[in-house]
Amino acid sequence: GDSVTQMEGPVTLSEEAFLTINCTYTATGYPSLFWYVQYPGEGLQLLLKATKADDKGSNKGFEATYRKETTSFHLEKGSVQVSDSAVYFCALSVAGGYNKLIFGAGTRLAVHP
Amino acid sequence: DTGVSQNPRHKITKRGQNVTFRCDPISEHNRLYWYRQTLGQGPEFLTYFQNEAQLEKSRLLSDRFSAERPKGSFSTLEIQRTEQGDSAMYLCASSLRSGAALPGELFFGEGSRLTVL
Repeated sequence: GDSVTQMEGPVTLSEEAFLTINCTYTATGYPSLFWYVQYPGEGLQLLLKATKADDKGSNKGFEATYRKETTSFHLEKGSVQVSDSAVYFCALSVAGGYNKLIFGAGTRLAVHP
Repeated sequence: DTGVSQNPRHKITKRGQNVTFRCDPISEHNRLYWYRQTLGQGPEFLTYFQNEAQLEKSRLLSDRFSAERPKGSFSTLEIQRTEQGDSAMYLCASSLRSGAALPGELFFGEGSRLTVL
């Protein structure tokens, strides 16, 4: 079945460090790919998305590129801030699946000043 | 606040009791989803409504679970005869039908945490 695998956390970084959170997927169809973020005490929010191969999603300084050949959608940010501390979830949605999302286990990011 | 609202935010109950959670989606959203999230895991799909019709149920949704969306607006998720394994965060999300929204953009509530003693 369809699934998402992302790197285990926690990831602990100093402010202004470079961030990469790895995400790979398995899908029978041609999925859309997403990163959702959950800040402490808040609900999940869409961070960015990509709907076809080689698309780059970006938002708030975060980027991820849809790589069909490696079935990956790694999240990157060049310079993290303390306010980026949150749990990040990679997810996929299969075409025709009425927006049903399949999530990875989440990666907790802690950024220290 | 016009986001997705869930109540109660936290419910503690004894094993064997029934519990009900309510979700009020964003008013113009016709799609509604329930997910379950356990500690250290990502959300797992439970069920999906388009308007009042329940169109898919996960095999995670045992016979003790029932969800309704009677008028295509709010939804309830009832768990009968709760077990300790039901302890989790129950998340509700809503979205517009595809074609009227970005694919996969679900709007989540803050969740209802269930603790079964």
